[in-house]
Amino acid sequence: AQSVTQLGSHVSVSEGALVLLRCNYSSSVPPYLFWYVQYPNQGLQLLLKYTTGATLVKGINGFEAEFKKSETSFHLTKPSAHMSDAAEYFCAVSESDSSASKIIFGSGTRLSIRP
Amino acid sequence: ETGVTQTPRHLVMGMTNKKSLKCEQHLGHNAMYWYKQSAKKPLELMFVYNFKEQTENNSVPSRFSPECPNSSHLFLHLHTLQPEDSALYLCASSQERGQMNTEAFFGQGTRLTVV
Repeated sequence: AQSVTQLGSHVSVSEGALVLLRCNYSSSVPPYLFWYVQYPNQGLQLLLKYTTGATLVKGINGFEAEFKKSETSFHLTKPSAHMSDAAEYFCAVSESDSSASKIIFGSGTRLSIRP
Repeated sequence: ETGVTQTPRHLVMGMTNKKSLKCEQHLGHNAMYWYKQSAKKPLELMFVYNFKEQTENNSVPSRFSPECPNSSHLFLHLHTLQPEDSALYLCASSQERGQMNTEAFFGQGTRLTVV
């Protein structure tokens, strides 16, 4: 079975600083990986996804993530944090069994931005 | 706006009440999901419907009863809930359950409080 581990339940950075949110996955097959963002009292919104092809994936709001198979990682980065980036971020992997596929979510990382 | 609409946004109910949560999507998706999001816990997949057929029930107590009358609508009927059932209930849809590389689109959620 596939799983996702997000290191750090809470990350705090200064406005303008680099954002790095860590995600490691386990999978016995080539994975499909996602990052979602959740603002307070809202649903989850897709930031970006990796399926096949280029390992550096660009998403919305200036975020990007790099798929590294050798490290089984899919870390999310943004060069310069903005106050509006404060939210909860979820890494997810798509899993498939004999019947169908489903998305497995990590436990989430809360990002705080200091003025 | 993701194209997935949930009503109501907030619900307070007593333990003896019966209520229903509604989810609607007009994205042409064939798979719909109910997730439970509790504080300090990973997102929990509750039910999955694919082409109106329930394909997954993750050991959810019978006091939660899903209904999917068509591919655009999904309900979660609630009765005799417990205080620990208080959570954010999220509905999601995707193109088709069996497609691993398709992301899920989430509604804004219903914040449920059981008193």
